[in-house]
Formats: sequence, C-alpha cells, structure tokens
Amino acid sequence: QSVLTQPPSTSGTPGQRVTISCSGTSSNIGTNTVNWYQQLPGTAPKLLIHSNNERPSGVPDRFSGSKSGTSASLAISGLQSEDEADYYCAAWDDSLNGRLVFGTGTKVTVL
Amino acid sequence: QVQLVQSGAEVKKPGASVKVSCKASGYTFTSYYVHWVRQAPGQGLEWMGLINPNGGSTNFAQKFKGRITMTRDSSTSTVYMELSSLTSEDTAVYYCARPFWNGYSFRFDYWGQGTLVTVSS
Repeated sequence: QSVLTQPPSTSGTPGQRVTISCSGTSSNIGTNTVNWYQQLPGTAPKLLIHSNNERPSGVPDRFSGSKSGTSASLAISGLQSEDEADYYCAAWDDSLNGRLVFGTGTKVTVL
Repeated sequence: QVQLVQSGAEVKKPGASVKVSCKASGYTFTSYYVHWVRQAPGQGLEWMGLINPNGGSTNFAQKFKGRITMTRDSSTSTVYMELSSLTSEDTAVYYCARPFWNGYSFRFDYWGQGTLVTVSS
C-alpha cells in the first residue's frame, strides 16, 4: 500500500515541460530525502534523482527534482519520446520501526 | 561492477512457499544491506523488507510479518527471500536492491533483474 501520493498520469508533446508531484507526511518526506525512479516497461526501476535534487552520473540535466515541506516534485524539461515511462517517488518513513515508502506512480506519455 | 543476479521465474500453488535468491558481486557483500521490493502486474512498487548481510538482522514491512523470511549465505554472497502461505495476490515481480546510505541520503543504486512469481491453482 503506497503512502506517497502521485497523479496517475501526465502527458506532453516533445519539447514540453511536465511536472510530477509527490505528496507525503512529516514522517517521510517531511523528515527524509526523496528519490525518484524511472521504470521502463519490463525493466527494473532506475534511480533518476536522489537526495531531493541530485542527478546520478549519466542522467540528463533535463530531469530535476525539488522538495518543500512534505511534498516533492520531478520536472522533465525538453520532453523526449524515450521519457515515456512510469515514475515513482520514494522516501524513508520513520514510523512503524522504519520502512521505505513509494509513491503511487505516474505514467508519463509523450504525445 | 556491482551486479545483483536473481533466480528464475517460479510458479506456485496457493498455500505454498517460494524462495527467491539474489547473488551479489562486485562489492564487499557484508558492507551493504539488501532490500526486497515487489511489483504486482500493472501495479506500483511495494517495499517488503531488508536484511543486513553482516549478522543477518532483518526488518520487515508490517504487511508481511509472520510469513516472510530473509537469510544470507556469506560464502556465496547470496541473499534469500522466502514468502509463505502464498495467495494469488502474491503474484508479482520480486526485486532485490542494494541501497546507498550515508546518514543523510538513502537510495537504491543497484537493482536485480527481477523474478516473476506466479501463484495459480
């Protein structure tokens, strides 16, 4: 059961900017850093953004993350066809003896 | 290079147990926890729990307590996740993942390829 809330879907045309929100609580996003994962069909998730706004080596700079209070967001600027995928936010949650919580997931469609 | 290689797909009957393995290579096995995450068909990611290969301590999501076991074999750098009393709702792809944690930032930087477990009569 997902604890972090994301919109089910969003879409854009090539070159556009899209954003995905991730809403949590004081025990997860409000206290800990947020990561974003990209999942292409039939593959394992891939780390896209860590520590709220840091990109791992190899991730294009058109992906950016931010966090404010108990919410976070992922922005994709200059949308490309290969960005069509599912995106999940995640954060450690300090309740219930500690657990990792994921967002509900957002499907990005490139029109 | 860091690799997590999981065992192959499984088909189980309701009520049975399944044991999935995750063989680590390319790093010191006992230096990093291993977590398990599952994904039901068409659904999102769900954290199941973790094991510390250095000592074997575990922490499980409340939902799975009582029917999940995680063990490790340091001689082969392999972690095992066993889930019992399977129902059709346990049909999912199961992933192992290695985290990075520096006291501030926690994230999964390496994932296994996934193991499909199908529960069907």
